[in-house]
Amino acid sequence: QKEVEQNSGPLSVPEGAIASLNCTYSDRVSQSFFWYRQYSGKSPELIMSIYSNGDKEDGRFTAQLNKASQYVSLLIRDSQPSDSATYLCAANTGNQFYFGTGTSLTVIP
Amino acid sequence: DTEVTQTPKHLVMGMTNKKSLKCEQHMGHRAMYWYKQKAKKPPELMFVYSYEKLSINESVPSRFSPECPNSSLLNLHLHALQPEDSALYLCASSQALGRSYEQYFGPGTRLTVT
Repeated sequence: QKEVEQNSGPLSVPEGAIASLNCTYSDRVSQSFFWYRQYSGKSPELIMSIYSNGDKEDGRFTAQLNKASQYVSLLIRDSQPSDSATYLCAANTGNQFYFGTGTSLTVIP
Repeated sequence: DTEVTQTPKHLVMGMTNKKSLKCEQHMGHRAMYWYKQKAKKPPELMFVYSYEKLSINESVPSRFSPECPNSSLLNLHLHALQPEDSALYLCASSQALGRSYEQYFGPGTRLTVT
């Protein structure tokens, strides 16, 4: 099993809808988790970090961590066309970061 | 301020050239990273420096040579590269190695090897 796994998509949602992105992880990386947004041709941009079970909200973004089920999710409310990007889930083991393969999100106007 | 800068933005080099990529951060971070990213793939870790010492080398070919001259600077020296080394090279930094630290990326250098 890979350390971090994501459904590569693509995921399409209409403008104004909620986009839900999911990520699962192995026991080897069960510590802290991060969501990055990457526009085509650009570098990854950190949008959320989460360290403990439960939800963490920041504006239109909510990260959820469930350590019992070993999954992390990112909800984007009121999705906008500018949210169209690849979203990378990452886990920090202390020595390095492990990245999922990314989920491509398209928000349709 | 969470800025990591990288130069150059774009680089085209022949297989016999020697070039260097530069990365700088002024956030007081003590861990710095080099990643390689191919199109539609996640970043692939190459090197990790912690307090200016090489901490992780992910079996990277010797034609890539990292250097950390001080706590703010990270270089990647390139020599005798192959066309398959063409990629986006990303530098990143975090406050230190440790599970609770966030990692910030620079804008990257787009490298083309001809």
